[in-house]
Amino acid sequence: DQQVKQNSPSLSVQEGRISILNCDYTNSMFDYFLWYKKYPAEGPTFLISISSIKDKNEDGRFTVFLNKSAKHLSLHIVPSQPGDSAVYFCAASYSGSARQLTFGSGTQLTVLP
Amino acid sequence: EAQVTQNPRYLITVTGKKLTVTCSQNMNHEYMSWYRQDPGLGLRQIYYSMNVEVTDKGDVPEGYKVSRKEKRNFPLILESPSPNQTSLYFCASMDSSRPYNSPLHFGNGTRLTVT
Repeated sequence: DQQVKQNSPSLSVQEGRISILNCDYTNSMFDYFLWYKKYPAEGPTFLISISSIKDKNEDGRFTVFLNKSAKHLSLHIVPSQPGDSAVYFCAASYSGSARQLTFGSGTQLTVLP
Repeated sequence: EAQVTQNPRYLITVTGKKLTVTCSQNMNHEYMSWYRQDPGLGLRQIYYSMNVEVTDKGDVPEGYKVSRKEKRNFPLILESPSPNQTSLYFCASMDSSRPYNSPLHFGNGTRLTVT
């Protein structure tokens, strides 16, 4: 049973518009959430994170929102750029898990020029 | 440059022929881990190590071995590879002294095909 789910395998967005990537989780013990970006032939790279004590974290064009009651988080990219085209993985962990990350299945974002 | 280095990048082998994928990091990280990426399943943890000589199973450890004799190296060993171990493998490390502010650093991956 996947504890972290990304239900959209792919998403296409026009350049300059907003990209919204979604992630749902089932384990209520998760208290730290991260987004990673992966380009082809490279390893994932860290993008942004959020602790469960917050409901929003912003870093430039990237904002992550956390809704604990719905067990849902989302990544907003505004404005989207062609260089943002990549696979985005959502990940979660909890303090009692030795910081083990549980990853979602990923969403392929394509930003069209 | 801070990095995690995996070798080889690509490997094709036959069922039952032992192989080792090497992983080395130059960031003095105590924590290291191996993941496999499969379509529709995301990244699943195989094994992890909190420090030298300390290793533990992840979510999918069957058919794999690891060792951590030095802080910088964390090789992944497949004693008798099978076709269901065909996958994309990633090694990662993390500064575990700052878990909430230190993300995983990944290598560039090893594409393994077992025929």
